[in-house]
Amino acid sequence: GAVVSQHPSWVICKSGTSVKIECRSLDFQATTMFWYRQFPKQSLMLMATSNEGSKATYEQGVEKDKFLINHASLTLSTLTVTSAHPEDSSFYICSASTGRSTEAFFGQGTRLTVV
Amino acid sequence: AQTVTQSQPEMSVQEAETVTLSCTYDTSESDYYLFWYKQPPSRQMILVIRQEAYKQQNATENRFSVNFQKAAKSFSLKISDSQLGDAAMYFCALGNRDDKIIFGKGTRLHILP
Repeated sequence: GAVVSQHPSWVICKSGTSVKIECRSLDFQATTMFWYRQFPKQSLMLMATSNEGSKATYEQGVEKDKFLINHASLTLSTLTVTSAHPEDSSFYICSASTGRSTEAFFGQGTRLTVV
Repeated sequence: AQTVTQSQPEMSVQEAETVTLSCTYDTSESDYYLFWYKQPPSRQMILVIRQEAYKQQNATENRFSVNFQKAAKSFSLKISDSQLGDAAMYFCALGNRDDKIIFGKGTRLHILP
């Protein structure tokens, strides 16, 4: 299957700072990327959908100014958690699709801890 | 609104036995896809099996098979000859043509040696 790489795998940041998470499709062009958040022992909650070259579409209840998403190329999408607070601590997972196979390929996730 | 419901938070099965995980869904779309994903302790999402809604034949992947009942909006996963490596969180998921995937709450599967 296609490979999606997410970086970093884990990050610790201080409250009030911003942190950027990268999601790269290594061997295919991803027309669409998705960002999910997963709390401990819970399901994946879709945060937003990003399409290359256009603004991200956020799910209801997700703060677009808190979670900035940029999909600048067909192989890279970034999620920036701005002015992070301890309640933003979570596991963030991206997925990428080609738009042809109706199958999304997942990154390995990023564990964010805000102290 | 689309929903995916997994009513079994946890299940256990003896090694080498068969277990069935339940899932129901709701969607107003006519063109959709159903998935079962496995999430081991590493938390990497692994696609187990996929079913196109327009196909009547149930999907099968080695020891994994589904029972897709479209009218009942039911999509259960059967794991045969359970192995210790099957222990994980299993998520039922619903996807559309735009590849947006919605997940159920998951079922944690324990394999008893």
